[in-house]
Amino acid sequence: DADVTQTPRNRITKTGKRIMLECSQTKGHDRMYWYRQDPGLGLQLIYYSFDVKDINKGEISDGYSVSRQAQAKFSLSLESAIPNQTALYFCATSDSPGVGQGSDTQYFGPGTRLTVL
Amino acid sequence: AQSVTQLGSHVSVSEGALVLLRCNYSSSVPPYLFWYVQYPNQGLQLLLKYTTGATLVKGINGFEAEFKKSETSFHLTKPSAHMSDAAEYFCAVRSGGYNKLIFGAGTRLAVHP
Repeated sequence: DADVTQTPRNRITKTGKRIMLECSQTKGHDRMYWYRQDPGLGLQLIYYSFDVKDINKGEISDGYSVSRQAQAKFSLSLESAIPNQTALYFCATSDSPGVGQGSDTQYFGPGTRLTVL
Repeated sequence: AQSVTQLGSHVSVSEGALVLLRCNYSSSVPPYLFWYVQYPNQGLQLLLKYTTGATLVKGINGFEAEFKKSETSFHLTKPSAHMSDAAEYFCAVRSGGYNKLIFGAGTRLAVHP
């Protein structure tokens, strides 16, 4: 089973609709992240969470919100989707600093391809 | 503020040829540097990382990268390309102490027979 899962894997929606993308992890990591990927731009950080009670905005948080329902679950919502939010969305996790040698490494889910018409 | 520049959005090599993917960074603090690979329709996988210590870092699938502070570079190399290396490669730098990653725009590697 995959350590970081994302649902749905593909979604087509219309302008103005509310959309939720979900991420679950079985790695036991405290830190979780949401990125969007656009061609030629790499990955940009939307939100990140260091634990259930600690949520922070990333570089491009406008138009998005998140919820950390549990250590293992981190959801991304688009309150009112618009076409320029069409992108590939990735969830990632990492250990907290000092927890083993791998704490700097982020582990990515398979992505959700979102199309807003 | 940290930033990453990957020179060349597309690189094409012949099977068996040297692979060189370029990455330059800017950072006001000692950087932690990463290379990730993305195969078609998949998420990103860590290839290798530099944190401290030896400046030549070996990763999976025969890739390696050398941290050169004087050149602010962290170029990725592989002596002999294989068809299975065709993918998109991302260089990233850790931003500050909070494990946020700043990614480059990516380089798509094509390998032809």
